[in-house]
Amino acid sequence: GDSVTQMEGPVTLSEEAFLTINCTYTATGYPSLFWYVQYPGEGLQLLLKATKADDKGSNKGFEATYRKETTSFHLEKGSVQVSDSAVYFCALSDQSGNTPLVFGKGTRLSVIA
Amino acid sequence: KAGVTQTPRYLIKTRGQQVTLSCSPISGHRSVSWYQQTPGQGLQFLFEYFSETQRNKGNFPGRFSGRQFSNSRSEMNVSTLELGDSALYLCASSLESGPNTGELFFGEGSRLTVL
Repeated sequence: GDSVTQMEGPVTLSEEAFLTINCTYTATGYPSLFWYVQYPGEGLQLLLKATKADDKGSNKGFEATYRKETTSFHLEKGSVQVSDSAVYFCALSDQSGNTPLVFGKGTRLSVIA
Repeated sequence: KAGVTQTPRYLIKTRGQQVTLSCSPISGHRSVSWYQQTPGQGLQFLFEYFSETQRNKGNFPGRFSGRQFSNSRSEMNVSTLELGDSALYLCASSLESGPNTGELFFGEGSRLTVL
């Protein structure tokens, strides 16, 4: 079945450092890919998404590019802030769009001043 | 606009008991999904309801059940609780069924502890 694999955390970075959180997936066809973020004490919220190969999703300085050839959707940010400390989840939905999201296990990011 | 509301936020039960969790979606949203979040397994899909009909079901035993009412509010029930049912139960709503048609909006979750 479909699956998502994320790099294990926790990841600890200094403010203004470059962030990469790796995400690879296993799915048939062309799934849609998502990054969700969970801030402390809150529910998950959609950060960005890409629905076809080579699409780049972006939001709040975060970017991720849908790479079909490497089945990857790595999350990047050029300069992290303390307020970016959260748990990040990579997720996919199969190409029908009618199946539930399959989530990775999440990567906890801590940014220190 | 009010977000997704889940009640109760925290609860403690003992093995063998049952529990009912409630979710009120964002006004106008007709789809409600439930997920179980644990440190070891991450987020696992339980079920999705759309216009009072179960559209999708995850791989959980029959002790886990749910329903959706005509106002789109949803409840999930777990009977004969086991220690392994301790988790954060997340509810998410969306306008339509299927994540490709729009984003999922999550509540803060109901944290269940089974002793």
